[in-house]
Amino acid sequence: EAGVAQSPRYKIIEKRQSVAFWCNPISGHATLYWYQQILGQGPKLLIQFQNNGVVDDSQLPKDRFSAERLKGVDSTLKIQPAKLEDSAVYLCASSSTLGARETQYFGPGTRLLVL
Amino acid sequence: AQSVTQLDSQVPVFEEAPVELRCNYSSSVSVYLFWYVQYPNQGLQLLLKYLSGSTLVESINGFEAEFNKSQTSFHLRKPSVHISDTAEYFCAVSDNTDKLIFGTGTRLQVFP
Repeated sequence: EAGVAQSPRYKIIEKRQSVAFWCNPISGHATLYWYQQILGQGPKLLIQFQNNGVVDDSQLPKDRFSAERLKGVDSTLKIQPAKLEDSAVYLCASSSTLGARETQYFGPGTRLLVL
Repeated sequence: AQSVTQLDSQVPVFEEAPVELRCNYSSSVSVYLFWYVQYPNQGLQLLLKYLSGSTLVESINGFEAEFNKSQTSFHLRKPSVHISDTAEYFCAVSDNTDKLIFGTGTRLQVFP
């Protein structure tokens, strides 16, 4: 079974530029998560989808971050414009369905550096 | 609000020695507890989880963790570590909203 795929693996941009990350979850997984992991911290949930609907985006800085999962499969996360403090690893995870007991499977992450 | 504290940011240990990685949580409701491991340049992988039942849970590679409700802890232990156990370990808590709250991580460094 293929795992969660993410691209690109690394991205370097200058502040005020825009950037997009892509995630393809495990086949058949209805729930998709985007996390931000700043150096020295644990992952923090940005947004959670169930199929193509948003379940929770309370921690997403909506003035600059956006995410979509139009067909309920893969997802993109965009930052526009980027700030220095957005430098982090962006992790995508998926689970078969909603529920606190469900295991989340993580991709390798996209490491973003904003200069 | 839930929170997770991992007091040790780094734990150095020699190969074949025992290790304990500490995790404490705070929550006003019943929780589910998880340990994830992150090997270099890889994503997080679930190591073990406590959902209900026996308070001692084990992983396939020799780690175990015990849920202690009175001390609000979920410490991770292994009686004899290998070089290959070198990684970052994250404790996480979830209530029935299925949001995972992670600790800041503990970097386990195993020396030969």
